[in-house]
Amino acid sequence: DAKTTQPTSMDCAEGRAANLPCNHSTISGNEYVYWYRQIHSQGPQYIIHGLKNNETNEMASLIITEDRKSSTLILPHATLRDTAVYYCIVRRFTGANSKLTFGKGITLSVRP
Amino acid sequence: DTAVSQTPKYLVTQMGNDKSIKCEQNLGHDTMYWYKQDSKKFLKIMFSYNNKELIINETVPNRFSPKSPDKAHLNLHINSLELGDSAVYFCASSQVSRGGRDEQYFGPGTRLTVT
Repeated sequence: DAKTTQPTSMDCAEGRAANLPCNHSTISGNEYVYWYRQIHSQGPQYIIHGLKNNETNEMASLIITEDRKSSTLILPHATLRDTAVYYCIVRRFTGANSKLTFGKGITLSVRP
Repeated sequence: DTAVSQTPKYLVTQMGNDKSIKCEQNLGHDTMYWYKQDSKKFLKIMFSYNNKELIINETVPNRFSPKSPDKAHLNLHINSLELGDSAVYFCASSQVSRGGRDEQYFGPGTRLTVT
């Protein structure tokens, strides 16, 4: 699976959009981009994933560049409860053999 | 209704002891996993089971033995506990399907402290 690079940390104001970048320049055509987050002392939580097209769900939007070498997770209206470590993961889907390889992630701090 | 539950939440024990952590999921998923998160917060997969069959074993010491009595349960037994086993252990489950959609649902974790 391709490696990802994320900034160590960022912050944003409550109510504003949080844009979390991720670089995955070695991604191959059959690899998906996944985002998970881990709120302090809790288990990781799935947010969203995509292959080529931009995706949106009730939690966030995922914008993938046309060359697929980078992506941005957007939390449209960040709240204090969104403070967490966010993991960008690139992986091939191989059925039951699929595994998530977590990196260091980016720590998002939402300030009042 | 907790989707993925683990017991116990906290486990403090001495070196050399044998302990088990239990995991249950009520989501009807066919795949379950164990992850370890160490003190540096790195989260690494240990095992995965699909329909009670071992699929992934990530070079984990033989002292760790997962057991899946049925699709809804995946327990982790650890023999001869060592200081380095201190970590938070997370169980997860997913439903493997086409299109890469197999988001994993994680349990709340079990914090194991070996003294």
